[in-house]
Amino acid sequence: SAVISQKPSRDICQRGTSLTIQCQVDSQVTMMFWYRQQPGQSLTLIATANQGSEATYESGFVIDKFPISRPNLTFSTLTVSNMSPEDSSIYLCSVEGGQGLYEQYFGPGTRLTVT
Amino acid sequence: QKEVEQNSGPLSVPEGAIASLNCTYSDRGSQSFFWYRQYSGKSPELIMFIYSNGDKEDGRFTAQLNKASQYVSLLIRDSQPSDSATYLCAVYFDSGGSNYKLTFGKGTLLTVNP
Repeated sequence: SAVISQKPSRDICQRGTSLTIQCQVDSQVTMMFWYRQQPGQSLTLIATANQGSEATYESGFVIDKFPISRPNLTFSTLTVSNMSPEDSSIYLCSVEGGQGLYEQYFGPGTRLTVT
Repeated sequence: QKEVEQNSGPLSVPEGAIASLNCTYSDRGSQSFFWYRQYSGKSPELIMFIYSNGDKEDGRFTAQLNKASQYVSLLIRDSQPSDSATYLCAVYFDSGGSNYKLTFGKGTLLTVNP
């Protein structure tokens, strides 16, 4: 499976500011995914990012709040804009790949705390 | 709303026992099923995937799928304290317009006691 890295690994941010999270993959992938995992909760898909097209957002997530870039086949960014304490979560990127169909592999995550 | 249901636990088993983790899903048309293990403070790690009815074994892990009952399970034989983690069931759903997405259950916390 692909090796995925994320930056930063964690951050503490003030209310009203924005944070951009980077996701780097060691091989070219078509689809990259961004998830949120709130404290004590499971994973929720924010959006799917394909290279060369606009990201597809899930219900409850909007581009103004979570703009995504996908400039090439190995890199993507997620920005959390105008943050509030409710945005405190772990943000994870993932990619498809592997032996079968639709398996997703996750990066190490970015732990965000908004004060 | 496509759903994946898991018992939240915690499930506690003694070392060496079989741990049985269960998951049900709402969409009869689903074709792909996954189990992830997530240690505290870490990201999810894919440990098993299964696409066909029946059993699939990989080392101490066995995934079982029953599409008629919309049920998938994970058995861990000879459980070890290092297996203590949250286990997430995930199902690939058609969310409409041939858009598929991976939907996760809330996870079952497993504790293996030495």
